[in-house]
Amino acid sequence: DAGVIQSPRHEVTEMGQEVTLRCKPISGHNSLFWYRQTMMRGLELLIYFNNNVPIDDSGMPEDRFSAKMPNASFSTLKIQPSEPRDSAVYFCASSLAGNYGYTFGSGTRLTVV
Amino acid sequence: DQQVKQNSPSLSVQEGRISILNCDYTNSMFDYFLWYKKYPAEGPTFLISISSIKDKNEDGRFTVFLNKSAKHLSLHIVPSQPGDSAVYFCAASGVTQGGSEKLVFGKGTKLTVNP
Repeated sequence: DAGVIQSPRHEVTEMGQEVTLRCKPISGHNSLFWYRQTMMRGLELLIYFNNNVPIDDSGMPEDRFSAKMPNASFSTLKIQPSEPRDSAVYFCASSLAGNYGYTFGSGTRLTVV
Repeated sequence: DQQVKQNSPSLSVQEGRISILNCDYTNSMFDYFLWYKKYPAEGPTFLISISSIKDKNEDGRFTVFLNKSAKHLSLHIVPSQPGDSAVYFCAASGVTQGGSEKLVFGKGTKLTVNP
């Protein structure tokens, strides 16, 4: 298995632009998580899905952030409009429900200038 | 409010010696604890875990100890090797407000093992 695949690896965008981050979980995993890593806050959970259904989005910072999982093999995290304070590394992870050994992707480093 | 705290941002040890990484938590509902290791430009990878019904779990050179009364856990690496140099994240899980289970991570400790 290729593991959890995230794209792009790096994204540089101007403030106010829309940004879309993509994730392909491991086949057969039915839980998917979006995390954000910053120096100040470490790894924060933004949202997670079970069987493509959002279960907990309490970590989504504000309405500018949205996430979708249209099917079991694809998820997106969208920021619109983006702001410099959104600059961070965004990780996607997947697992079998109830299994805490999450498999993380390599992350997307987002820079908003 | 940081529910999982790793108070040491960094730790440096000599190769062959013991590395001890510490983690404290505040939520008494947490019942499962994990350690993840992260190399630069990679995602975190699962290392070892412990259930709240145990106080120790060992896997090769890695041992995790849990002290529930103190809400404290630690990761021991013996002997430390240069390849262990990475950022280590402590994580905890349990049924949280709203009924959802999710992993809560600390900020990480950067371990450097010097040859």
